Amino acid sequence: AQSVTQPDIHITVSEGASLELRCNYSYGATPYLFWYVQSPGQGLQLLLKYFSGDTLVQGIKGFEAEFKRSQSSFNLRKPSVHWSDAAEYFCAVGDTGGFKTIFGAGTRLFVKA
Amino acid sequence: GAGVSQSPSNKVTEKGKDVELRCDPISGHTALYWYRQSLGQGLEFLIYFQGNSAPDKSGLPSDRFSAERTGGSVSTLTIQRTQQEDSAVYLCASRKVYGGDRYEQFFGPGTRLTVL
Repeated sequence: AQSVTQPDIHITVSEGASLELRCNYSYGATPYLFWYVQSPGQGLQLLLKYFSGDTLVQGIKGFEAEFKRSQSSFNLRKPSVHWSDAAEYFCAVGDTGGFKTIFGAGTRLFVKA
Repeated sequence: GAGVSQSPSNKVTEKGKDVELRCDPISGHTALYWYRQSLGQGLEFLIYFQGNSAPDKSGLPSDRFSAERTGGSVSTLTIQRTQQEDSAVYLCASRKVYGGDRYEQFFGPGTRLTVL
């Protein structure tokens, strides 16, 4: 069965600093991978997705993620964080049949001035 | 509308009462999911509908939970005899399929359920 681990419950970074949020997955084949962001009181918004091909994926709001098969990871990065990036971030893995998507527990990002 | 809508946005009920939560998916999306998000937790899969196939109910936590999808569109999640541990945000998502089996889920704003 597929599973997702986000090791960091919360992270605090200074505005303008770089960001990396970790995600490790478990899946028997090449997974479909997603990152979502949830701002307070809002639904989930898709930041980026990986299905196949180039392992470096560009998303919205300046985010990118890199799929590393050898490490079973799909870490999310941003070179310079803005205060508006403060939110909860969820990594998710989907089976290639698309029948079920499993979400990690989330990482809450705090941005300090 | 352009997105997934859910109603009500907030629901406060007393322990033991039944509640119904509604989801209107994006038109044309054949798959629909329900998730539960408890305070400070990730998303817990509840149930999945795909077209006319039998739903995947493997995530429903107890037989007090049920869901239906009428006409391949609107879905209703019903919780009978609510308990305080049912308090959570219930999220609905519909799925867009790209070429092959690539897909993307679009989420509604959720229904916040509070059981007193």
